[in-house]
Amino acid sequence: SAVISQKPSRDICQRGTSLTIQCQVDSQVTMMFWYRQQPGQSLTLIATANQGSEATYESGFVIDKFPISRPNLTFSTLTVSNMSPEDSSIYLCSVERTGGVTEAFFGQGTRLTVV
Amino acid sequence: DAKTTQPPSMDCAEGRAANLPCNHSTISGNEYVYWYRQIHSQGPQYIIHGLKNNETNEMASLIITEDRKSSTLILPHATLRDTAVYYCIVRVATGGGNKLTFGTGTQLKVEL
Repeated sequence: SAVISQKPSRDICQRGTSLTIQCQVDSQVTMMFWYRQQPGQSLTLIATANQGSEATYESGFVIDKFPISRPNLTFSTLTVSNMSPEDSSIYLCSVERTGGVTEAFFGQGTRLTVV
Repeated sequence: DAKTTQPPSMDCAEGRAANLPCNHSTISGNEYVYWYRQIHSQGPQYIIHGLKNNETNEMASLIITEDRKSSTLILPHATLRDTAVYYCIVRVATGGGNKLTFGTGTQLKVEL
């Protein structure tokens, strides 16, 4: 398995500000994923982050709103920019183990409330 | 990735078996069936996966029909701690980079 630590675990932010969420993995992984889970909803993939290349964003998500960094094989950040109340969600980091059948592991998430 | 269909909610008495169905009629030959669960306020947790044979681990059993168009996750002796949203996902399992597409899942409520 993989141990994933996310910081902060929760935050309350003012609209118009930005928040950077950190994701630290206990081992090197090629691919890291960021998901959003809006209240009462399922998980939606925001983007895939590979080390050494730009993140790949899913439809409906753009780099200006959700810039992502991936400086090494164990760390990534997601920034939620110019926040509005609609950005209130749980943001989750995920990694995959490949080599044989792929398994995905998730952090505990960052619960963001925008007021 | 193939789309899955699950009932929105199910109830189960503690100590009884919980049988959670999933339909994936458009599954491709190289796609596996994965099950995850999400306990309230936590990240999803991997449970089990399979291709075409039935699988069992310390958490659950997975029964896949012969035509692979549906499957059932079985929690043999459900406890209150198994109350969670259970997601059935189908995806290509090897090579990495194949995103997980979460549906709405089944909210399982285990009661005394």
